[in-house]
Amino acid sequence: AQSVTQLDSQVPVFEEAPVELRCNYSSSVSVYLFWYVQYPNQGLQLLLKYLSGSTLVKGINGFEAEFNKSQTSFHLRKPSVHISDTAEYFCAVSDRGDKIIFGKGTRLHILP
Amino acid sequence: DAGVIQSPRHEVTEMGQEVTLRCKPISGHNSLFWYRQTMMRGLELLIYFNNNVPIDDSGMPEDRFSAKMPNASFSTLKIQPSEPRDSAVYFCASSQANEAFFGQGTRLTVV
Repeated sequence: AQSVTQLDSQVPVFEEAPVELRCNYSSSVSVYLFWYVQYPNQGLQLLLKYLSGSTLVKGINGFEAEFNKSQTSFHLRKPSVHISDTAEYFCAVSDRGDKIIFGKGTRLHILP
Repeated sequence: DAGVIQSPRHEVTEMGQEVTLRCKPISGHNSLFWYRQTMMRGLELLIYFNNNVPIDDSGMPEDRFSAKMPNASFSTLKIQPSEPRDSAVYFCASSQANEAFFGQGTRLTVV
């Protein structure tokens, strides 16, 4: 069975500073990986996904993530954050079927 | 397309009452998911359907919870009887091509 670990429940970062949100997964089979963002009182929106091919995936709003199979990681990065990036970010894994399992989320706090 | 539509957006009910949450997936999507979100447990997968058939309901917490998908355009999640610990935000999502689209959620409060 798959599982996802998001190592940080909250990450504070100053505006215009870089940020990395960590995600590790476990699975006995090949996987698809996702990052979703949830703004207050809203549903989740897809930021980016890795299905195959290049291990560096670019998403919306300037975010990118790198798939590292040997470390079973899929960390999310942005070189310069904005106040509007304040949200909760969820890493998710699928075993290439339909079932998508989410991590517990990381709250990103942007400090002025 | 209007996206995944959930109703109601907010529900307040008394303990012991029956609660029914509704979801209309995006047309053409063949998978539908119900998730529950709480501060303590995060986002939990309760059940998912493929082509209207329940595939995995291992996340359904107990017999008080039931879900149906009578056709490709409608699903319900029912809690009977409801308890205060069921208070949470319940999300429905539908997927196609390995991308899940979420509804706005139903915030359930059981008092």
